[in-house]
Amino acid sequence: QLQLQESGPGLVKPSETLSLTCTVSGGSISSSSYYWGWIRQPPGKGLEWIGSIYYNGNTYYNPSLKSRVTISVDTSKTQFSLNLSSVTAADTAVYYCARRGDGYNGRAFDIWGQGTMVSVSS
Amino acid sequence: QSALTQPPSASGSPGQSVTISCTGTSSDVGGYDYVSWYQQHPGKAPKLMIYEVSKRPSGVPDRFSGSKSGNSASLTVSGLQAEDEADYYCSSYAGSNTFVFGTGTKVTVL
Repeated sequence: QLQLQESGPGLVKPSETLSLTCTVSGGSISSSSYYWGWIRQPPGKGLEWIGSIYYNGNTYYNPSLKSRVTISVDTSKTQFSLNLSSVTAADTAVYYCARRGDGYNGRAFDIWGQGTMVSVSS
Repeated sequence: QSALTQPPSASGSPGQSVTISCTGTSSDVGGYDYVSWYQQHPGKAPKLMIYEVSKRPSGVPDRFSGSKSGNSASLTVSGLQAEDEADYYCSSYAGSNTFVFGTGTKVTVL
């Protein structure tokens, strides 16, 4: 059964870069039927789509975050990663990684990691 | 790309039905049949309940149903049960491989 697990620092200083990794286990990250994405949720607030990546490295970002976001994939390690630069307190959130189907597989986020809390503070 | 609009709260007694709306624009909800709904219990990751407007993933009870009309989509939970008390979020494809989520609705089972 496919599982996703986020990892990375729980505390990041303002103006620095937030870096998280999502490890995919129990299945292939190189499937042509799926994309791999990041979604975040500030404390007490709603979900926000950050961006997605395809196994071939094609990336798609939320326009509001595009200037600060980089998502990359390492198929050999079955991992994909998120870098968010110049963070502020507003970037404090639970960060989830998730799999989503392509147009033939629902275009929905069907498998999620458990989430990891990242706080931005000096 | 603005968040889809959902009512902050909805409630119903056990056995009753509750319907949650999700309003977007012609660039997201109205433009594609790729609306999905997620259930989130406190401290847990969201769970996919509905995809492609009205399809249920395996294992999701048929008490959950979805529909869409124009720029708005809806999730109906019939035969409310205590375990249905949770936050619910809609999401829509918005073109060019981008997505937008709704503002979220807290469902209370009275």
